[in-house]
Amino acid sequence: DSGVTQTPKHLITATGQRVTLRCSPRSGDLSVYWYQQSLDQGLQFLIQYYNGEERAKGNILERFSAQQFPDLHSELNLSSLELGDSALYFCASSVQEGNTIYFGEGSWLTVV
Amino acid sequence: EDQVTQSPEALRLQEGESSSLNCSYTVSGLRGLFWYRQDPGKGPEFLFTLYSAGEEKEKERLKATLTKKESFLHITAPKPEDSATYLCAVLLGSARQLTFGSGTQLTVLP
Repeated sequence: DSGVTQTPKHLITATGQRVTLRCSPRSGDLSVYWYQQSLDQGLQFLIQYYNGEERAKGNILERFSAQQFPDLHSELNLSSLELGDSALYFCASSVQEGNTIYFGEGSWLTVV
Repeated sequence: EDQVTQSPEALRLQEGESSSLNCSYTVSGLRGLFWYRQDPGKGPEFLFTLYSAGEEKEKERLKATLTKKESFLHITAPKPEDSATYLCAVLLGSARQLTFGSGTQLTVLP
């Protein structure tokens, strides 16, 4: 158990809908990262927050947004969902930026 | 251009047959190289961090080494439970996040 908690574990939703994925980082970790992993692709970096502030953006679509709250948990919002958004979404956390990151078990999103 | 390349893409070994996985990176300014193990449908599990050329780390049957342009993950006398995808990631330059390779899918046959 890495200490990073993600909910929900599984989610099935229809095209055009909006979902929110939630992440609680390890105790003491200030930095949160979101990654997407599709069946035929590796881990794609989406976005990173540090102590509530957005710090880096990767290949995140405009339909996706995220935030980190004062209690350091983070949410990833996915809207106007398309079939191609079906993937495993991972949250990871680290004490500081550039340190080892620890992953949660992921949220399986299936868009039908 | 890929910054991190892992080879081979897939590797099948007999139980007890030692081998090595490779991770090479093309951009200078390495601040850290990380190895993870990922089981199907699970989150990547941290294995090692290496920071400088010549550094080595070991854990059970796994040993990670780092040179100036690549890292190796040596697997000694593997067992079927070592079957997984092994991911390499690098922290380069001024980046704040890791860049992952596409992984090596290891299968160890009994």
